[in-house]
Amino acid sequence: AQKITQTQPGMFVQEKEAVTLDCTYDTSDPSYGLFWYKQPSSGEMIFLIYQGSYDQQNATEGRYSLNFQKARKSANLVISASQLGDSAMYFCAMREGGNQGGKLIFGQGTELSVKP
Amino acid sequence: GAVVSQHPSWVICKSGTSVKIECRSLDFQATTMFWYRQFPKQSLMLMATSNEGSKATYEQGVEKDKFLINHASLTLSTLTVTSAHPEDSSFYICSAINRDRVMGEQYFGPGTRLTVT
Repeated sequence: AQKITQTQPGMFVQEKEAVTLDCTYDTSDPSYGLFWYKQPSSGEMIFLIYQGSYDQQNATEGRYSLNFQKARKSANLVISASQLGDSAMYFCAMREGGNQGGKLIFGQGTELSVKP
Repeated sequence: GAVVSQHPSWVICKSGTSVKIECRSLDFQATTMFWYRQFPKQSLMLMATSNEGSKATYEQGVEKDKFLINHASLTLSTLTVTSAHPEDSSFYICSAINRDRVMGEQYFGPGTRLTVT
C-alpha cells in the first residue's frame, strides 16, 4: 500500500491566487514527520515546510502553509499568492518514527503550473 | 543555510565503465546521507542509506555490488555505479541530514544526471 499519496499529477493556478496541493499518508506509528519539497526544472530539491505529528498548530513558512488534519491523515500544502516562479514539481514526504535520522518516503508528486 | 553539493552535475559514460558521484555537506556534519534515483516525471526512489564509518543500508531491489556507497567522512559520501549500462541512465540525488536542526530535515544536493551510451 502506498504510504504517501498525491492524487493530483498536475495542477494549474492563476498568478496571485492560492492553490492547495493534496497529500494523504498512511502510518501506524504515532510519531512521524511530514515534509513538502519543491523541485524546479533544474532538479534541485528545495525544502519548503515541515509538520510533526505532535505539533498542535499547522506549520507556516511565508507563503506556504500546511493544512494538517491528523484524523484524516492528510497534510495538504497551501501556497498563497502564487507566483510564476512557483511552477515546479511538488513532493510530499513522510518520515516515520521519532528517529530524526530516518529515511523519507516520497509521494508521486504534483506538477504545478502558474499561469500569468 | 545548510548546503549540499554534488559532483559532477552531469556525466556521460560508455557502457561497461564505472562512474563515481560525490556528495558533500559543505557547512554541517552529516552522519547520515541518502542516495536517490529519479526517472523523468517520477518520484524519488531511495536507493540506500549511507552512514559514516559503517556499511550502507540498501533498499530492497537495489544491487549493492552495482551501486557502491562509501561514507568515508562526516562530510562526504560517494556513489559508484559499476559497469554502467544504458538502463542506469538517471538523475541521482543525494541528501544529508543536518542533526543540528531540531527536525532533522534532509537537505538535498543539486543532483547528477548520468547518461550511459
